[in-house]
Amino acid sequence: SQTIHQWPATLVQPVGSPLSLECTVEGTSNPNLYWYRQAAGRGLQLLFYSVGIGQISSEVPQNLSASRPQDRQFILSSKKLLLSDSGFYLCAWSRTGGYGYTFGSGTRLTVV
Amino acid sequence: DQQVKQNSPSLSVQEGRISILNCDYTNSMFDYFLWYKKYPAEGPTFLISISSIKDKNEDGRFTVFLNKSAKHLSLHIVPSQPGDSAVYFCAASGTGTASKLTFGTGTRLQVTL
Repeated sequence: SQTIHQWPATLVQPVGSPLSLECTVEGTSNPNLYWYRQAAGRGLQLLFYSVGIGQISSEVPQNLSASRPQDRQFILSSKKLLLSDSGFYLCAWSRTGGYGYTFGSGTRLTVV
Repeated sequence: DQQVKQNSPSLSVQEGRISILNCDYTNSMFDYFLWYKKYPAEGPTFLISISSIKDKNEDGRFTVFLNKSAKHLSLHIVPSQPGDSAVYFCAASGTGTASKLTFGTGTRLQVTL
């Protein structure tokens, strides 16, 4: 069966510090991978998606970047965090050509 | 541009009654619709889906209705239970790269005793 792991679960970082959130998927190959953010009182906003190693598409301009160094690994990064980067970050995967996602358990990021 | 809208941010329903959550969309290219349920501090979990070739899909207590002409779908939960209290997200997908889902802003359902 397929599983998705996302860590850490919570993170408190000072403004200006770097960020690295990691997501890995097991039990499947060549998944589509996604990073979403849920800001306080907001819906789920797609940040990045990837259809293969090294292939990253950005949905909105922002202070974040994503990388996919391996088939089942997706990393969300920032060089310098802003207060507005606070939120609940979710990684998800889907099958190529398939509908619907499976989400990770999320990371609560608080920038102070 | 919010292509998927959930206009009710919250809904309170008594246990045993019907919960109806609504969702509207604007993009006529969407052909698959899903509902996700989310508890605090957890990732959303898939609940039920419907293809645009259908107008109804039922799974136990959950039924999704799709009205393509009105670009409207709804989720019915009957009977509602306290464990159904969560945030419900409507999502839509069209054909194309990565099968990206566009989510609504969510409706917080509270089922009271």
